[in-house]
Amino acid sequence: QVQLVESGGGVVQPGRSLRLSCAASGFTFSNFGMHWVRQAPGKGLEWVAAVSYDGNNKYYADSVKGRFTISRDNSKNTLYLQMNSLRTEDTALYYCAKGWYSSLAWGQGTLVTVSS
Amino acid sequence: QSALTQPASVSGSPGQSITISCTGTSSDIGGYNNVSWYQQYPGKVPKLMIYDVSNRPSGVSIRFSGSKSGNTASLTISGLQAEDEADYYCCSYTSSITRVFGGGTKLTVL
Repeated sequence: QVQLVESGGGVVQPGRSLRLSCAASGFTFSNFGMHWVRQAPGKGLEWVAAVSYDGNNKYYADSVKGRFTISRDNSKNTLYLQMNSLRTEDTALYYCAKGWYSSLAWGQGTLVTVSS
Repeated sequence: QSALTQPASVSGSPGQSITISCTGTSSDIGGYNNVSWYQQYPGKVPKLMIYDVSNRPSGVSIRFSGSKSGNTASLTISGLQAEDEADYYCCSYTSSITRVFGGGTKLTVL
């Protein structure tokens, strides 16, 4: 069955960097666009970034543009999110999600806490 | 990239029908038939309930239906059940080749 497992979250100081990973299994990873979606504590869902199936096209929310970079390694069935210049408002549970227009499969999320 | 507009809360009694609205613009909901709806229980992962405006994934109850008119999409839950009490989020593809979510609606079953 489809499985998405995020990792790499943790506590980090403002201005520092963190890289999230999402290991995919149970489907042909290289056939699907992928997304990162986050949810701040007690808040709603916020779309963060997307990457096309082949990694050639990348899109970002205005709130992270220039600071975050989405990428993928289809040989490793893994999605990444490089997060630089982190801010306190980036504190959230980060989910990876499969599918371009809608997401039937989501990971369990990895928690990122930005705090001094 | 403004969030889509949803009511903060809706409520209904068991057996009733409720509708959650989701209002966007011609650059998102009004321009594309790629509106989806997600159900989320507290502390749980979002679950896809409706995709492409009105399609249900396999396994989703037929009590859930979606529609769209102009810049507004709607999720209707008929025959309301206690287990439907959750947060619901709409989501749309946009002209910027991005996604935008609604702020979420808390459904209370009275």
